[in-house]
Amino acid sequence: NAGVTQTPKFQVLKTGQSMTLQCAQDMNHEYMSWYRQDPGMGLRLIHYSVGAGITDQGEVPNGYNVSRSTTEDFPLRLLSAAPSQTSVYFCASRNTPGQGQYEQYFGPGTRLTVT
Amino acid sequence: AQTVTQSQPEMSVQEAETVTLSCTYDTSESDYYLFWYKQPPSRQMILVIRQEAYKQQNATENRFSVNFQKAAKSFSLKISDSQLGDAAMYFCAYRSADWGETSGSRLTFGEGTQLTVNP
Repeated sequence: NAGVTQTPKFQVLKTGQSMTLQCAQDMNHEYMSWYRQDPGMGLRLIHYSVGAGITDQGEVPNGYNVSRSTTEDFPLRLLSAAPSQTSVYFCASRNTPGQGQYEQYFGPGTRLTVT
Repeated sequence: AQTVTQSQPEMSVQEAETVTLSCTYDTSESDYYLFWYKQPPSRQMILVIRQEAYKQQNATENRFSVNFQKAAKSFSLKISDSQLGDAAMYFCAYRSADWGETSGSRLTFGEGTQLTVNP
């Protein structure tokens, strides 16, 4: 298993540009999430999904869109990038109840800089 | 809403010695999970140890152990025989035991503690 993969690893955008951060997992996990990590603030939840076709907002959803058309993929879209979205972004997935494991599996992260 | 606080932005320890990282949390729930994650310079988030709130026994994983004080809402991480490879940012995290859609995917993180290991 590749686990959770994210692309790209690094990205520089200009203010107002749009882009999609890709996330994929091959563990057949129903739950997937996006977090952003900022210095001194830990990781904060942006959006999450409990299965294909179902998404919901987390703690800091403004400026981001998500969709979940398949179990494997959970892309994060920035429609009009702002400097405040400069951060490191992590995608995570976890098992559903009954599968015996509780931990979240994290991707390697994407470092995004908006100038 | 739950909150997690790590009051030590930075800690340092000599190689082979023991260090304790602090974490406190606030919740009105009675059943939940607590985690310590390690983040080395590679940025990868690595699960170090997990504690279920309903268990009174403190979790242990090799050189890593926790001191879980449920009434005090405290969850500290002890690293024994510290090694150079332990140098990293450490995050304490909380998750509800409710597997429902609104909370089951949410991990609430502390601010992190940067651990330096001196040779």
